[in-house]
Amino acid sequence: EVQLVQSGAEVKKPGESLKISCKGSGYSFTSYWIGWVRQMPGKGLEWMGIIYPGDSDTRYSPSFQGQVTISADKSISTAYLQWSSLKASDTAMYYCARPYSGTLPGAFDIWGQGTMVTVSS
Amino acid sequence: DIQMTQSPSSLSASVGDRVTITCRASQGISNYLAWYQQKPGKVPKLLIYAASTLQSGVPSRFSGSGSGTDFTLTISSLQPEDVATYYCQKYNSAPITFGQGTRLEIK
Repeated sequence: EVQLVQSGAEVKKPGESLKISCKGSGYSFTSYWIGWVRQMPGKGLEWMGIIYPGDSDTRYSPSFQGQVTISADKSISTAYLQWSSLKASDTAMYYCARPYSGTLPGAFDIWGQGTMVTVSS
Repeated sequence: DIQMTQSPSSLSASVGDRVTITCRASQGISNYLAWYQQKPGKVPKLLIYAASTLQSGVPSRFSGSGSGTDFTLTISSLQPEDVATYYCQKYNSAPITFGQGTRLEIK
């Protein structure tokens, strides 16, 4: 079964760093892009960026460039999303997702279960 | 960057109604358009890709059409379980963009 399993919920303070993970299984991890999507409470879906684990090619949304870092460790089939200094406005659900086609960066048919990040003093 | 604009932002319809949601791209995207359904508290679900290809397991009452800049998602006969927010997404290249969503309720 193809699946993405994300790390658990996090509660952090402003200014702290954080790295959340997304582990793929059941498919060739290096052959598909992995994307990250933010959903703030009560709001819509926002595409943050994508990474191709095969060669670590990474693209960011202009809205998130410089705010987060996307990476992947293909040896353990895991993608990451990290922050160096969290803000309260980073409070959101974060999803990783995989496209239906290995040649395309979107149209995500496989989604992780989501990681809720809460940033509060 | 290409912007995706959905309309309406919310919609209320009766069971059995035909429902149409539209999505407009600010530039042509060929048929690189996907539709998602997100029920409250749930993970988004891919309904349609390539503008009109139904994802496996999705009921046939859902259909998509369009190419270039104008796209539609149609539910031929609205069911109670279709209450959700629907998003379009353009995905031909980065940056990938979602529409702002259409909240669908039962009247």
